[in-house]
Amino acid sequence: ETGVTQTPRHLVMGMTNKKSLKCEQHLGHNAMYWYKQSAKKPLELMFVYNFKEQTENNSVPSRFSPECPNSSHLFLHLHTLQPEDSALYLCASSPRGAAGYNEQFFGPGTRLTVL
Amino acid sequence: GQQVMQIPQYQHVQEGEDFTTYCNSSTTLSNIQWYKQRPGGHPVFLIQLVKSGEVKKQKRLTFQFGEAKKNSSLHITATQTTDVGTYFCAGVNQAGTALIFGKGTTLSVSS
Repeated sequence: ETGVTQTPRHLVMGMTNKKSLKCEQHLGHNAMYWYKQSAKKPLELMFVYNFKEQTENNSVPSRFSPECPNSSHLFLHLHTLQPEDSALYLCASSPRGAAGYNEQFFGPGTRLTVL
Repeated sequence: GQQVMQIPQYQHVQEGEDFTTYCNSSTTLSNIQWYKQRPGGHPVFLIQLVKSGEVKKQKRLTFQFGEAKKNSSLHITATQTTDVGTYFCAGVNQAGTALIFGKGTTLSVSS
């Protein structure tokens, strides 16, 4: 599937580094999401963007900073992360805006390791 | 807060046996969705249920939505090795803007 792409697929960073995760959807959807997936808390919603506007911030620490320049692109800027932030970061999109009745299409994820 | 719970967390079956995973919500849901994540993969949408008591089938998979719209189940008949993965249910949050996922049931199948 190539509807939702994420780069990089793997990332190793130190706690003092600054990096960014990129997500792009080619489906013409209007909502995009960031999820964190770890062994302890599978599929934890982080941020929701609906028509480029952030509508959900699920109590995410400020060391994670999202950016949505348009409906097709979503970024997650990372700085001064902690080892417990190591996880799979999944991007998803859904048609017709962010609503619970819309199915979500997930990207392949970025496997992040914080040393 | 609103929670979606799934049981069991893990299930191992022999190929050909049936499998069921259950999903329960602390609140009434307007709809429920099911996703499958293969090992090393990402979640893939399977189905959405909307109506009270709704039953939908996809080949060997049967999905049910409870009469009170607070629980759901996924039943797989005669499992195959291709069914291996984690099955997630998800219900809409109270604002109606996002999904709350259960922790998933991981199915392993031995041949």
